[in-house]
Amino acid sequence: AQTVTQSQPEMSVQEAETVTLSCTYDTSESDYYLFWYKQPPSRQMILVIRQEAYKQQNATENRFSVNFQKAAKSFSLKISDSQLGDAAMYFCAYRGPSGTYKYIFGTGTRLKVLA
Amino acid sequence: NAGVTQTPKFRVLKTGQSMTLLCAQDMNHEYMYWYRQDPGMGLRLIHYSVGEGTTAKGEVPDGYNVSRLKKQNFLLGLESAAPSQTSVYFCASSYRVSPYEQYFGPGTRLTVT
Repeated sequence: AQTVTQSQPEMSVQEAETVTLSCTYDTSESDYYLFWYKQPPSRQMILVIRQEAYKQQNATENRFSVNFQKAAKSFSLKISDSQLGDAAMYFCAYRGPSGTYKYIFGTGTRLKVLA
Repeated sequence: NAGVTQTPKFRVLKTGQSMTLLCAQDMNHEYMYWYRQDPGMGLRLIHYSVGEGTTAKGEVPDGYNVSRLKKQNFLLGLESAAPSQTSVYFCASSYRVSPYEQYFGPGTRLTVT
């Protein structure tokens, strides 16, 4: 069965600095999809970034980028120029290939941004 | 577009009472999901639906039932609430084609006393 592991329950970063959140997963599939979601105190889950496994290029979205290491089954999220609004829970999620329907979520990393 | 909406946002039940949570989406998504979120456990899948009239069990289905009579709505029912069902419930939806990103509702905080 697929699993997603976020080994950092909590991280802190100074405003304007860079922080990296770790995520590892286990799967026997070659085609799959990976996501990072942000959950601020409002509780709303917001998609931050996604990565298709067949794409070798790492996804980027403004200040957010990923380091996707398929062989190592690692999918880390880098936040550059951290802002106070980045403070939230961050969840890593895995979805299998077409024909499967379930998403597996990690337990989350709470990110604190220090002014 | 309203996206994904959930009704109600908060609810308190006594043990043994029943209730239905309503999820609605206006994005014409084929797939819909119900999750529960508990501290330290991430999101766990309760039930899901890949189309109108179809439902399937997820990771933690016991004590819950679902129905999808219309494509835009996905209902989650608790027939006899238990304190272990105290949680925050999220509905999500997605298209049936890549990249499969999920859109979430704002959540329902349920307390069972």
